[in-house]
Amino acid sequence: GESVGLHLPTLSVQEGDNSIINCAYSNSASDYFIWYKQESGKGPQFIIDIRSNMDKRQGQRVTVLLNKTVKHLSLQIAATQPGDSAVYFCAVSNSGNTPLVFGKGTRLSVIA
Amino acid sequence: DAMVIQNPRYQVTQFGKPVTLSCSQTLNHNVMYWYQQKSSQAPKLLFHYYDKDFNNEADTPDNFQSRRPNTSFCFLDIRSPGLGDAAMYLCATSRLGLAEAFFGQGTRLTVV
Repeated sequence: GESVGLHLPTLSVQEGDNSIINCAYSNSASDYFIWYKQESGKGPQFIIDIRSNMDKRQGQRVTVLLNKTVKHLSLQIAATQPGDSAVYFCAVSNSGNTPLVFGKGTRLSVIA
Repeated sequence: DAMVIQNPRYQVTQFGKPVTLSCSQTLNHNVMYWYQQKSSQAPKLLFHYYDKDFNNEADTPDNFQSRRPNTSFCFLDIRSPGLGDAAMYLCATSRLGLAEAFFGQGTRLTVV
């Protein structure tokens, strides 16, 4: 099976700094990875995804890095803003045919 | 806008009194999921449907049932809610073969 963990449960950053949130997974067959953002009282919202044939993907202010050798992925948020405060989950799947398994979540707090 | 809608947003039920949570989608996705999310934890998959094909997670209690009468609607029935069933219940959808899940805003269930 798959287990997904996060290195830190909370992360506090100054507004304008870059944030890095990490995630480790256990199943080497996992080949699809998503980062979700969840604000208080709301459902998870898709941020960015990456497939195992890539090691980096960029979006608007966000970058996901995938290291398949050590089964680790990270989410980088550039110029962190107060609106980025939320819980961030990584989620993994196998070939898109299995439901997503979620990691424990990291709470990001942005200090103005 | 195409979306996943959960009703109600907040539900209070009495200990042992059956309760039904509903989810509808306008995305025309084949796959629908129910996740349970307790405070400060990751979403945990309860079950999912590939069209009408029901898939129950091995550790989902028998107290939880689901119905999917058509593509658009899916229901979560809790036959005898206990205090430990208080949680956020998240409905999500995806296209078959694509793991990216689109989430509703969730129903927060309180058991009194």
